[in-house]
Amino acid sequence: AQTVTQSQPEMSVQEAETVTLSCTYDTSESDYYLFWYKQPPSRQMILVIRQEAYKQQNATENRFSVNFQKAAKSFSLKISDSQLGDAAMYFCALTSGTYKYIFGTGTRLKVLA
Amino acid sequence: SQTIHQWPATLVQPVGSPLSLECTVEGTSNPNLYWYRQAAGRGLQLLFYSVGIGQISSEVPQNLSASRPQDRQFILSSKKLLLSDSGFYLCAWNLDRDYGYTFGSGTRLTVV
Repeated sequence: AQTVTQSQPEMSVQEAETVTLSCTYDTSESDYYLFWYKQPPSRQMILVIRQEAYKQQNATENRFSVNFQKAAKSFSLKISDSQLGDAAMYFCALTSGTYKYIFGTGTRLKVLA
Repeated sequence: SQTIHQWPATLVQPVGSPLSLECTVEGTSNPNLYWYRQAAGRGLQLLFYSVGIGQISSEVPQNLSASRPQDRQFILSSKKLLLSDSGFYLCAWNLDRDYGYTFGSGTRLTVV
């Protein structure tokens, strides 16, 4: 069975600082995809970043980047220059050749002014 | 551009009443469509998905059902709601299952 674990229920960061959200996963598949989703108070889920497991290069999207450690099955999200609008729930997700995504339980990020 | 519409935004229903949540996608053809449920403090749980008209795959066969009467329309239904059906329901779509979902704005369902 595939699992996704987010061990940090809540994190805080000062505005303009950098924060890293952790995610570990387990799968026996060799070909899979990992995602980070953001869910602001409006509740609409937004795709932040996507990583293909066969690519060694870490994905980046503007201020968002990942640290993908395949051997350790770790997929952390780094947010640089944090902004008030980054405050949200962040979910890590995994899929491997199926229509179903496995989501973690989420990390609530607070951004302090 | 593609857009996804989901309604209603909030719904309060008594136990035992029927349910119908609707989701439509615009600007694309033959999307994969999904219904997820998000319970408080938990991740998202896939309920149903569909890769074509009339084709429904169920992941959680409880008292909920889904239908896809048209290419870009996905409906979540129940004949009799239970208290445990309360939650936040999200519709989503994609064209390629490996490229992530685009989610709708969700429906907050409270069964009383």
